[in-house]
Parts: sequence; structure tokens; C-alpha cells
Amino acid sequence: SQKIEQNSEALNIQEGKTATLTCNYTNYSPAYLQWYRQDPGRGPVFLLLIRENEKEKRKERLKVTFDTTLKQSLFHITASQPADSATYLCALDQAGTALIFGKGTTLSVSS
Amino acid sequence: DAGVIQSPRHEVTEMGQEVTLRCKPISGHDYLFWYRQTMMRGLELLIYFNNNVPIDDSGMPEDRFSAKMPNASFSTLKIQPSEPRDSAVYFCASSPFTRSSGNTIYFGEGSWLTVV
Repeated sequence: SQKIEQNSEALNIQEGKTATLTCNYTNYSPAYLQWYRQDPGRGPVFLLLIRENEKEKRKERLKVTFDTTLKQSLFHITASQPADSATYLCALDQAGTALIFGKGTTLSVSS
Repeated sequence: DAGVIQSPRHEVTEMGQEVTLRCKPISGHDYLFWYRQTMMRGLELLIYFNNNVPIDDSGMPEDRFSAKMPNASFSTLKIQPSEPRDSAVYFCASSPFTRSSGNTIYFGEGSWLTVV
């Protein structure tokens, strides 16, 4: 069956460090992989999209990599801040179909 | 644009009652999705529509659940009869699928349903 796994439910880091979140999938051939941020009591918000033929995508302090051989994406937040504390969800899209989401990793950045 | 609008934001109902959740997608978006989120199962896709037509409802848990999209600006998700295990946050989302952006989804703020 198709499965998306995010490496851990929770990740705690200190302010200023780089947070690295992992998303692994099986039995998919996604055309796109996306990352979303969800704050408590709110809906998820789109952050970044990376296509199957792209290795890396950056946006300000965010970086996403996509390895279709390993079936893995890494999501990095550099110089992390307490305001980055949230749940981060990865999602796969098989081109024209609905996004399927992982359960998310809750990041806590302490000052 | 006001974003995806959902109502009600919070609903507490008794087991056996009918629940109707409503959604107004972003104007111009061709896709509309209903997701359910719980701590145990995460964010699950229930059903999605393309141009008001249901495309995949395989995620709808039981016949007690039904969804409609009578026009491009309105959709409903109905649970009848409701059960305590239906308690969850129900998200509506819409998307302007393009080849360059894929199905980047814009979520509403969710409808928090508690069935007692």
C-alpha cells in the first residue's frame, strides 16, 4: 500500500540551529512533493513545492531536497527561530490527483 | 481574495444527529477537497471534485458520509447519522491545478466537530 512517513512526531532544537525534517514514501511516483506548515487551530499553509526532476529548492531560510531514487525529501530550516515552531507536513501529488499527506513533524524551537 | 471559507467553525452535536459542513472555495479554483484530521490518523482525504464533479470518493469512510458540489462556489459535507468516532477537524481546500504548480492546496480554517 502507499505510505508516507515523516521521521519523527516531534523535533526539539535550539534557536539558531538548523532543523532537518525527513519525509519518506513508498509505492508512489509523485510528480511533485510539497511541504506545508500548520499552526495549532489553523489549516495547513503551503510553503514549498519541488518537482520530480528537481534536486533542490530554496526559499529564504527554507531548503527542500527531493531524491526520487531514495524516495525521500529533506526539509531544512536554517537559523531557526521560536516563530518557526509548528507542525510541518509533507504531501505527494501524482499530477492532477489529490495531495496525500504525511502525519507531520512538530518542531519546537527554544530560545 | 477571502480564501477558503468554512462554516461552522465549531459544532457540538449529539450522536445520531445530522451534521452539515459548508465550504466556499477560492474563486477560479477548479479543484475542491474535503480532508479530515485526527491525532491518530493525521490528515486524510475524504473526497475531491474537479469542476464540480466528484472524482474520487474512496476516502469517504461510510455511507453515512456524503458530499455535494452543486456549483463552483459551494460544497457541503454531510454526516447522517453522526457518531462519536466522527469527531475530528474537517478541512475544505481548493486548488488551481497547473502544470507548473501542481495541486498546491489552499485550506480553510477547518470545522471542529465534536459528537457526544
